[in-house]
Amino acid sequence: DTGVSQNPRHKITKRGQNVTFRCDPISEHNRLYWYRQTLGQGPEFLTYFQNEAQLEKSRLLSDRFSAERPKGSFSTLEIQRTEQGDSAMYLCASSLVPDRNYGYTFGSGTRLTVV
Amino acid sequence: DAKTTQPPSMDCAEGRAANLPCNHSTISGNEYVYWYRQIHSQGPQYIIHGLKNNETNEMASLIITEDRKSSTLILPHATLRDTAVYYCIVAGGTSYGKLTFGQGTILTVHP
Repeated sequence: DTGVSQNPRHKITKRGQNVTFRCDPISEHNRLYWYRQTLGQGPEFLTYFQNEAQLEKSRLLSDRFSAERPKGSFSTLEIQRTEQGDSAMYLCASSLVPDRNYGYTFGSGTRLTVV
Repeated sequence: DAKTTQPPSMDCAEGRAANLPCNHSTISGNEYVYWYRQIHSQGPQYIIHGLKNNETNEMASLIITEDRKSSTLILPHATLRDTAVYYCIVAGGTSYGKLTFGQGTILTVHP
């Protein structure tokens, strides 16, 4: 397994357009997390799934954001009607619960720039 | 989740030990202390975690005070590649959910 994979690595979009990011977790991991990180700040939690169930959503996840994890494997994060404030690094992570020995494994992120 | 306090930045000479402190005075009994680091333009990387005993792995050692209100991450022989932002996080439960990241400590290792 090569770890958590995120695509695309970079995305530039015009304000008002919709974008979708994909995350492929480590195959045996049952939990998948989405975080957002802006310049100079630590990652901020957005949402997480256990298998296909979305267990928690942050208030940061406005109604323009939607995340899915069909069949408990890969996940997608969609942002509709993008705004300049959505420009950030979007990070995905996965973990195996209840095995906490190795913590989360993060992907390298998708950097979104809204122009 | 309990909050943590870390110094915003620290310096260390290459080859010396780097000792990164973290205060977590409101930690509760079932919460663990986790350390992650983030090298520029990469996702955070798990380093180590502990509950109340000191822990060591191939990357670092974690020293937790007896009252569990603070901890220290030790990188025994820092290298230039250890330059990163280091995050101390407290999270708990038997199957922890989200991790709440703070601002972290920017560690700069000098030649």
